[in-house]
This record gives sequence, structure tokens and C-alpha cells, in this order.
Amino acid sequence: ILNVEQSPQSLHVQEGDSTNFTCSFPSSNFYALHWYRWETAKSPEALFVMTLNGDEKKKGRISATLNTKEGYSYLYIKGSQPEDSATYLCASMFSGGYNKLIFGAGTRLAVHP
Amino acid sequence: EAQVTQNPRYLITVTGKKLTVTCSQNMNHEYMSWYRQDPGLGLRQIYYSMNVEVTDKGDVPEGYKVSRKEKRNFPLILESPSPNQTSLYFCASRTGTDTSEAFFGQGTRLTVV
Repeated sequence: ILNVEQSPQSLHVQEGDSTNFTCSFPSSNFYALHWYRWETAKSPEALFVMTLNGDEKKKGRISATLNTKEGYSYLYIKGSQPEDSATYLCASMFSGGYNKLIFGAGTRLAVHP
Repeated sequence: EAQVTQNPRYLITVTGKKLTVTCSQNMNHEYMSWYRQDPGLGLRQIYYSMNVEVTDKGDVPEGYKVSRKEKRNFPLILESPSPNQTSLYFCASRTGTDTSEAFFGQGTRLTVV
């Protein structure tokens, strides 16, 4: 059974703090890693799709890195703002998995003014 | 506007009363999936479809049916709903290329009493 783990489960930070969280996945047969941002009462929206070891992607104050050899990805938010409050989901794809995304349970971020 | 449209957004029903949740996408995507989201768990795939008339079970298919008669539509059918199917459901579509991001519908919150 392929498992994708995210930590921490939830996080409370103050406005202006920088924060990061982790997605862990089995490194064997890895194919791609997705990050999604899910605001309450809305649809999850894609942030990044990464495939190569050492990949780094950035969108505004949010960035992500990927280590496929050890099976983890970090998501960083610099200078958190209240509008960053959301659940951040990662999902991994594996070779031979019929394009299937396996999701972690998410990290719920609350940014307090 | 590119979107995935799910209906209804909210539904309360009684055990055993057949229901259908509709999903439609306007992006000509080949790959469509249904997920359910329960507290503390990641999105779990119920069924997926790689193209018209091609569907297959995901991780939690029991009690559900799907069909893919047209590329844009992928309805989820609960023939005889039970209380353990109370959940938040998401439909998602992707182009079908291995690393493409998923686009999600707005979600359907289903309660079975």
C-alpha cells in the first residue's frame, strides 16, 4: 500500500512568520509530486507539479522543493498572510499507477493577524 | 472559463434512496476521477475514467457506480446510499498526460440519514 504522509497536521502562525511543512512518500517508482491549496468551501487548486529530484518551484511567496531519492517535498511560505490560511494537500504519482494521485491528509494552516 | 461543475453542492438524503451527483468539465480532459474526503484522511479515489467508456475502480469503490458516455460528463451514482457514505465528494479532471495538474469541482457535501 502506497502512503503519502504530511506533517504537521495543523499549524498556527502569526502574520509575517515564515513557515514550512513536509510531504513524505515512498521513493521507489516515484513519478510526480503535486501540491494543492484548499480553502474552506472552495475547490482545491494546484500550486505546483514537480517531477525531478532537486526541483524547486516558486509562486509568489510560496515555494516547494523535491527530493525523490529520500522521498520528501517541502512547501515554504515566506511572510505568511491571513489569506494563506488553507489546507495544503500533497499528492504523489507512481510508475504504473494509471495516472492515479495518492493524497496525503493535508496540513491545515491558520495565519493569525 | 475552464471549470469542473458538480451538482448538487449539498444533499441530505435517506438510506436506500438512489441518487446521482453530476460532474461536467469543459476542458476536453480525458482523465476524470471521483474522490471522497473524510476527516483526518486524504482524498481517496472512488472511481476513475481514462476516456469515454473506460472506467475503473479506485481505492474505495464499494457502494458506488459511475459512467462515462461522453467525454465531458462523469456522474457518480449511489444506488442504495448508506450512512457510511456521508462525506464530502470531489470530482476532478486532468488532461491525461502523466504530470498534468488536476482541476476540481466545488464539492458535494452528502449526508445520508
